[in-house]
Amino acid sequence: QVQLQQWGAGLLRPSETLSLTCAVYGGSFNGYYYSWIRQPPGKGLEWIGEINHSGSTTYNPSLKSRVTMSADTSKNQFSLKLNSVTAADTAVYYCARGQILHSVWGQGTLVTVSS
Amino acid sequence: DIVLTQSPDSLTLSLGERATISCKSSQSLLYSINNKNYLAWYQQRPGQPPRLLIYWASTRESGVPDRFSGSGSGTDFTLTINTLQAEDVAVYSCQQYFITPRTFGQGTKVEIK
Repeated sequence: QVQLQQWGAGLLRPSETLSLTCAVYGGSFNGYYYSWIRQPPGKGLEWIGEINHSGSTTYNPSLKSRVTMSADTSKNQFSLKLNSVTAADTAVYYCARGQILHSVWGQGTLVTVSS
Repeated sequence: DIVLTQSPDSLTLSLGERATISCKSSQSLLYSINNKNYLAWYQQRPGQPPRLLIYWASTRESGVPDRFSGSGSGTDFTLTINTLQAEDVAVYSCQQYFITPRTFGQGTKVEIK
């Protein structure tokens, strides 16, 4: 059964770079798209973007100028970087498998941006 | 961006009752070439990641109990939970995958009286 495990720093200062990684266990890494989705406290889900195993990406235009996603097929991992964070970026960040439908999710990482 | 508006924001019902959640899209999610509606429903229990329940507006994901059903087409969609169970306490969100950026509704919280 495919599982996603994610990790990264949970507390950032304003203007720092958010960095999260998600590893795929128990299934093929290639042939799938992977997405990052976030959820601010008490709010709805926001799609950040997606990447496939070969590195093809699509980002949410609202975040595109600050987002970079990458994939490492040798480690079955993909990563998210979001630069110049502000308090508005405080959220639980999820990785998920799938381009249009997300049937497997990571456990979520709470990232808090505070001075 | 496509805006999805859910109603109500919250719902409190008794065990065994039926829950009905609406999701209205700012534009049609029906793709005429394949006659499919690009809408999914997710369940998010407290402290857990979302779980895919329904896709193509009415197809249940494997393992999802048949008391969950989805309906609708175009811009108006409904998630119905028949015979509400205690484990159905969660936030339910619709998501469109018709175009990018993929967007979600604001969520509907379902609670038990």
